[in-house]
Amino acid sequence: GQQVMQIPQYQHVQEGEDFTTYCNSSTTLSNIQWYKQRPGGHPVFLIQLVKSGEVKKQKRLTFQFGEAKKNSSLHITATQTTDVGTYFCNYGGATNKLIFGTGTLLAVQP
Amino acid sequence: SQTIHQWPATLVQPVGSPLSLECTVEGTSNPNLYWYRQAAGRGLQLLFYSVGIGQISSEVPQNLSASRPQDRQFILSSKKLLLSDSGFYLCAWSIGGHPGNTIYFGEGSWLTVV
Repeated sequence: GQQVMQIPQYQHVQEGEDFTTYCNSSTTLSNIQWYKQRPGGHPVFLIQLVKSGEVKKQKRLTFQFGEAKKNSSLHITATQTTDVGTYFCNYGGATNKLIFGTGTLLAVQP
Repeated sequence: SQTIHQWPATLVQPVGSPLSLECTVEGTSNPNLYWYRQAAGRGLQLLFYSVGIGQISSEVPQNLSASRPQDRQFILSSKKLLLSDSGFYLCAWSIGGHPGNTIYFGEGSWLTVV
């Protein structure tokens, strides 16, 4: 069956450093979504990528969808303490069964 | 606008007791509904999803069950809780009939089984 790995599981950075999390699939994905969950909160939608090679930006966040649509990345430039939380990819794609990656917990030290 | 309500927000239940978590969505019709569980510091585990009234798909065999008695109501239940049922339970919805759409989560319910 479809397997999606999200790496790393945990990342600790100094404020101002960059951060990247990756979502890698064994099969082609129809689309991918990224969510952020603040500590103690619920996941909140960030963005959806649909096209092969697609790149989208939200201020300091850059999202990419691989050419083969098997992987995706979320890059944060110059992290801030407000970026703390867990970042999840979601790859339900063409079905109603929406599965999340294992998540990457980001800790930012001021 | 659409809203999702989930309750109770927190509860502490003894082992062997029943459970009922309720979720309602407002402002939309025929949504897809989901129950996820998140153990402390862990990922989001899909428990159940529903594409319509009375239609429940179970993803993980366990002592939990879900029901959808009305279009915008989703209930998570257990007859006898286990210690391993402790966790953060999240109800969510997405637009029905459109696979791959954005998921909107409720505030979550913290369950501690003692």
